[in-house]
Amino acid sequence: EDKVVQSPLSLVVHEGDTVTLNCSYEVTNFRSLLWYKQEKKAPTFLFMLTSSGIEKKSGRLSSILDKKELSSILNITATQTGDSAIYLCAAYTSGTYKYIFGTGTRLKVLA
Amino acid sequence: ETGVTQTPRHLVMGMTNKKSLKCEQHLGHNAMYWYKQSAKKPLELMFVYNFKEQTENNSVPSRFSPECPNSSHLFLHLHTLQPEDSALYLCASSPSLNTEAFFGQGTRLTVV
Repeated sequence: EDKVVQSPLSLVVHEGDTVTLNCSYEVTNFRSLLWYKQEKKAPTFLFMLTSSGIEKKSGRLSSILDKKELSSILNITATQTGDSAIYLCAAYTSGTYKYIFGTGTRLKVLA
Repeated sequence: ETGVTQTPRHLVMGMTNKKSLKCEQHLGHNAMYWYKQSAKKPLELMFVYNFKEQTENNSVPSRFSPECPNSSHLFLHLHTLQPEDSALYLCASSPSLNTEAFFGQGTRLTVV
């Protein structure tokens, strides 16, 4: 059965800290991995990764895919209270057109 | 604003009611999706439409009935729901299958 597992489930840090969120996947016909940030309701798109070892970066956020280890990490440097959210990881499988989501990591950044 | 609009934002319905959720995307995308998000569970894919054709029905009970009249609009018709169907229902669209999806704000559904 296809599955995506995220860790940790929740995390509390202080402003300025650096955090690393983990995502591992076991899916058939893997095509790509996506990261989303969900603050209130609508998940907002962060990154889509298809190639192993190539880091994608947007401001203080970066992410990398390791196809050998079937995993990805999302790094956030110099965290701010506005980074508090649930971070979702999803693996896309071709053939079934499915994004398989993990349960997310709930990040809380304290001032 | 993500370009995907869902209405209503909140809905309370009885188990014998019939209601519909609406989703509209202004992004020119060709694929649209319905997801269900329950507390402490991953987002569950319910339906996928590509160019108005349903490509995926993820073993969803028949009390949920999707409709996609064109590439910009997606409906989810609800009837005789159960309390365990209470959840956040998210609509999403993407330029094509296998590209990043953009989500609407969701409809918070409570079945009483």
